[in-house]
Amino acid sequence: DVKVTQSSRYLVKRTGEKVFLECVQDMDHENMFWYRQDPGLGLRLIYFSYDVKMKEKGDIPEGYSVSREKKERFSLILESASTNQTSMYLCASRPGQRWETQYFGPGTRLLVL
Amino acid sequence: GQQVMQIPQYQHVQEGEDFTTYCNSSTTLSNIQWYKQRPGGHPVFLIQLVKSGEVKKQKRLTFQFGEAKKNSSLHITATQTTDVGTYFCHTGTASKLTFGTGTRLQVTL
Repeated sequence: DVKVTQSSRYLVKRTGEKVFLECVQDMDHENMFWYRQDPGLGLRLIYFSYDVKMKEKGDIPEGYSVSREKKERFSLILESASTNQTSMYLCASRPGQRWETQYFGPGTRLLVL
Repeated sequence: GQQVMQIPQYQHVQEGEDFTTYCNSSTTLSNIQWYKQRPGGHPVFLIQLVKSGEVKKQKRLTFQFGEAKKNSSLHITATQTTDVGTYFCHTGTASKLTFGTGTRLQVTL
C-alpha cells in the first residue's frame, strides 16, 4: 500500500525559528513535492524534486529551501519562520515525470507565533 | 504562466441534489486530474483525463474534458453526505504543476 508520512501533524514555532518539515515515502518514487494549502488559494507548489539531490522551484519558493539527500526523504526548511508561513503543508510523491498520480501525506499544520 | 480557475468556490446542496464543479484554463491542457480532499484529510486522486472530449464515470461521478482541452468538469449525481469535501482539478507538464483553487461541497440532509 502506498504510504507518504510527514514528521508532524501539528507544529507551533516562533517567528525567526528555523523549521524542518520532513516527508518520507516508501514507494521508491522519483518525484517528490511540497505544497502549502491556504483557504481560498488551494494548493500552491513550493518546491519539487525529480530525483536525489535535485530540486526545482515551484510557484512560491521564497522563504523556503529543500533538501533531498535520500530518495525516500524530502525535507522542507523554513530558514527563519514568519507569521505569513502559518499554513497547512502537504508533501506528495509520484513514480516519475510521466504524468502519474500524486500521493499525498497527511499534512503538517504549522502555526508561527 | 498557466492559470487554472475553478468554480464555484463553495456549494451547499441538499442530499439527493446534483453538483457540478468546473475547471477552466487560459491555455490548452495536456491532461487533467481530479482529487478529493475530505475535511481534515489530504487530497486523494480520483481520475485522470487525457483525450479531447473524454468522458469518464465512477458510479455517481462523471468527469469530462472539453473538446478544446481548456476546461473540465466533475458532476455528481444525487449527492450523498459522503461526497462532502473539497474537489480539486490538477494539471501541468513535467515541470509545471498547477492545482485549481478547489470547490468545497457541503451536503446536508
